[in-house]
Amino acid sequence: AQSVTQLDSQVPVFEEAPVELRCNYSSSVSVYLFWYVQYPNQGLQLLLKYLSGSTLVKGINGFEAEFNKSQTSFHLRKPSVHISDTAEYFCAVSEPFYNQGGKLIFGQGTELSVKP
Amino acid sequence: NAGVTQTPKFQVLKTGQSMTLQCAQDMNHEYMSWYRQDPGMGLRLIHYSVGAGITDQGEVPNGYNVSRSTTEDFPLRLLSAAPSQTSVYFCASSRPMTGKTEAFFGQGTRLTVV
Repeated sequence: AQSVTQLDSQVPVFEEAPVELRCNYSSSVSVYLFWYVQYPNQGLQLLLKYLSGSTLVKGINGFEAEFNKSQTSFHLRKPSVHISDTAEYFCAVSEPFYNQGGKLIFGQGTELSVKP
Repeated sequence: NAGVTQTPKFQVLKTGQSMTLQCAQDMNHEYMSWYRQDPGMGLRLIHYSVGAGITDQGEVPNGYNVSRSTTEDFPLRLLSAAPSQTSVYFCASSRPMTGKTEAFFGQGTRLTVV
């Protein structure tokens, strides 16, 4: 069975500082990896995804993530955050099998709070 | 293009009442799913469907029923509401079925059971 662990439940950071949100996963098979963002009172929006190929993935709003197979990690980074990045961030995995229908297993979420 | 539409946005139920949360998508996606979001637990899969007429259970299916009679609609039924079902519910859709593409989420239904 797969599982996803987000190592920080809350991350406070000052505006224009760098940030890293950590995500580890566990799976006996190859997986696809995703980061979603949820702004207050809204649904989830895809930030970026790793399917295969280059381990450094760039997404929207200046975010990027690096897939590390040996450490089973998929950490999200941004070199300089803005107030508007304040949101909850979710790491998720899915199995690449036809009959699984792309089911997503989510981590617990990390609340990013950007302060002026 | 509306994407994934959930209704209602808010609902208060009394213990023991039943109700249906509606979900519709206009992207012709094969795959649809229901998640519940609880503080500190992320999103957990309730039920999913890989096409019309096909549904299966997710991680937390107890107390919920689903059906998929059309590609567009995937309603979630609470049979007898309990306070433990107080949560925010999200419907999602995606294609193709291999999990490669992103899931599109609705805006959520905030349900309170008293």
